[in-house]
Amino acid sequence: RKEVEQDPGPFNVPEGATVAFNCTYSNSASQSFFWYRQDCRKEPKLLMSVYSSGNEDGRFTAQLNRASQYISLLIRDSKLSDSATYLCVVNDAGGGADGLTFGKGTHLIIQP
Amino acid sequence: EADIYQTPRYLVIGTGKKITLECSQTMGHDKMYWYQQDPGMELHLIHYSYGVNSTEKGDLSSESTVSRIRTEHFPLTLESARPSHTSQYLCASSEYGGQTSIDGLNTDTQYFGPGTRLTVL
Repeated sequence: RKEVEQDPGPFNVPEGATVAFNCTYSNSASQSFFWYRQDCRKEPKLLMSVYSSGNEDGRFTAQLNRASQYISLLIRDSKLSDSATYLCVVNDAGGGADGLTFGKGTHLIIQP
Repeated sequence: EADIYQTPRYLVIGTGKKITLECSQTMGHDKMYWYQQDPGMELHLIHYSYGVNSTEKGDLSSESTVSRIRTEHFPLTLESARPSHTSQYLCASSEYGGQTSIDGLNTDTQYFGPGTRLTVL
């Protein structure tokens, strides 16, 4: 069974701090990786794709570690608006719908 | 912003009623999906489609059915609603085999609609 594991949290973090969380995946043949953000009672929205070389978008940095089969998300200078659930998504099958697996999400709360 | 729409946004209905949840997208995406999500829980894939006249069941067994007669439209139907169907239903779409990253990884991004929150009394 394909699995994507995340620490559900909640992570309570003071505003301005740096926070990082990981996501592990079980299928070594997994091909693509994403972080989505989901606000309470809203739909998930793509935050960023995760490339082999890692990628950065403003305060957000995503890393992929294929050897240890995990991806990470780092948020610097956290804002109150960063409070949300962050979903790790792994695609195993070259774009096939049955290859897409969502983690249960990590709940992040940024405190003033 | 993604151009994917769902109606109704909220639906409260009695047991035994037939309902259809609408989903449409204007991006010309071949692949479309339906997910079910309970509050605070993970997404579960219930149906997907690779294109017109293609429908497949997802990981989570569901009593619902779907159809894909047009590329842009992927409705979900419950013939007889029950309280156990109470949940949020999210529709998504993506381009089939469309994108690759600079290192060759498939970056087949899914875009989600706003969801339909269904309550069956």
